[in-house]
Amino acid sequence: DTGVSQDPRHKITKRGQNVTFRCDPISEHNRLYWYRQTLGQGPEFLTYFQNEAQLEKSRLLSDRFSAERPKGSFSTLEIQRTEQGDSAMYLCASSGDSMRGYTFGSGTRLTVV
Amino acid sequence: DAKTTQPPSMDCAEGRAANLPCNHSTISGNEYVYWYRQIHSQGPQYIIHGLKNNETNEMASLIITEDRKSSTLILPHATLRDTAVYYCIVRGSNTNAGKSTFGDGTTLTVKP
Repeated sequence: DTGVSQDPRHKITKRGQNVTFRCDPISEHNRLYWYRQTLGQGPEFLTYFQNEAQLEKSRLLSDRFSAERPKGSFSTLEIQRTEQGDSAMYLCASSGDSMRGYTFGSGTRLTVV
Repeated sequence: DAKTTQPPSMDCAEGRAANLPCNHSTISGNEYVYWYRQIHSQGPQYIIHGLKNNETNEMASLIITEDRKSSTLILPHATLRDTAVYYCIVRGSNTNAGKSTFGDGTTLTVKP
């Protein structure tokens, strides 16, 4: 069990550019979650997959955000035309069929300048 | 999912027990209580969960009141490394229950 991996750990981008983050969940986990966290706040839910199906999206996930999980394995989160307000930590988590809690990755810290 | 209420901050002396409270007065009968913690610059870490019975693992104990409207996470011998933000959340028992909703948690500071 290598845990949940997220890449990159840090990303600095100019406003208006597109960015893509990757998450590799624990291999036997069928559920994958994306959260966003700003300084001093708890994680905010963005979206959730069960296998390859995207089952829920937060209204926080504007049209500029898109997430995929092809083949039910790794997932990508893309932000188009980034804005300064997108600066945050983007967290990925995965879970299996048991009621045990999520396993989170270390996150990708995005800074939009 | 039911909402939870936690104090924004608490202090604890090193070596003493840390008791972190959580109110979840609108919890439903099939919702579990989960606790996570987050150390600075890391992702949250799952600690423990329970439905109505008290639970204990190698990290902590979880005490849930009989009416299930509140719970307490107990770190029996707090160390400086337990300084973190602790989140209490509730989530349905259906494994397809979807997302977990996090509040702002309790910042626990363990002091020497």
